[in-house]
Amino acid sequence: DAKTTQPTSMDCAEGRAANLPCNHSTISGNEYVYWYRQIHSQGPQYIIHGLKNNETNEMASLIITEDRKSSTLILPHATLRDTAVYYCIVRVDRGSTLGRLYFGRGTQLTVWP
Amino acid sequence: NAGVTQTPKFQVLKTGQSMTLQCAQDMNHEYMSWYRQDPGMGLRLIHYSVGAGITDQGEVPNGYNVSRSTTEDFPLRLLSAAPSQTSVYFCASRATAGAGYTFGSGTRLTVV
Repeated sequence: DAKTTQPTSMDCAEGRAANLPCNHSTISGNEYVYWYRQIHSQGPQYIIHGLKNNETNEMASLIITEDRKSSTLILPHATLRDTAVYYCIVRVDRGSTLGRLYFGRGTQLTVWP
Repeated sequence: NAGVTQTPKFQVLKTGQSMTLQCAQDMNHEYMSWYRQDPGMGLRLIHYSVGAGITDQGEVPNGYNVSRSTTEDFPLRLLSAAPSQTSVYFCASRATAGAGYTFGSGTRLTVV
């Protein structure tokens, strides 16, 4: 799995968009970008993933640059409940790797009132 | 659907004791994994399985055994507990490629 680099921490005002960056300059053509978050003491929660195109779901949007070397997770209207550690993970989805998921340190997002 | 169920939620062991952490999912997911999380750190993969009867090691497998006799269950066995195994343990499952993992709520284990 390709290495990712994320800022250690970020903060955001409630109601504003939270933009969380992730660098993955060594990503290969068949690797997906996944985002998870972990609210304090809970199990991680899947947010969104993508390969090349931008993706949007009810939780967030994922913007992947054209060269795929970086991506941004966007929470359009952050709430206090979005305070969590956000993990960007790059991985191939085939064969034995389907059972594996490697986490880094992630970004601690703090949403303030 | 109950999702991914882990039992127990809390456990205290003495050094040298053995025990099994239980993980069950009712979503018919093929892929299951065990992780541990130590204070201030991200999750580290212990063991994983891509289907019944198939298991493999992750980053930190030493001191742990797993088996996958059914699709639903993926128990994690601590053979001889050590204080270094004090951690929060998470089990996760996923259906197929392109799907996100569903995590359990964790087991908080203390070894004294």
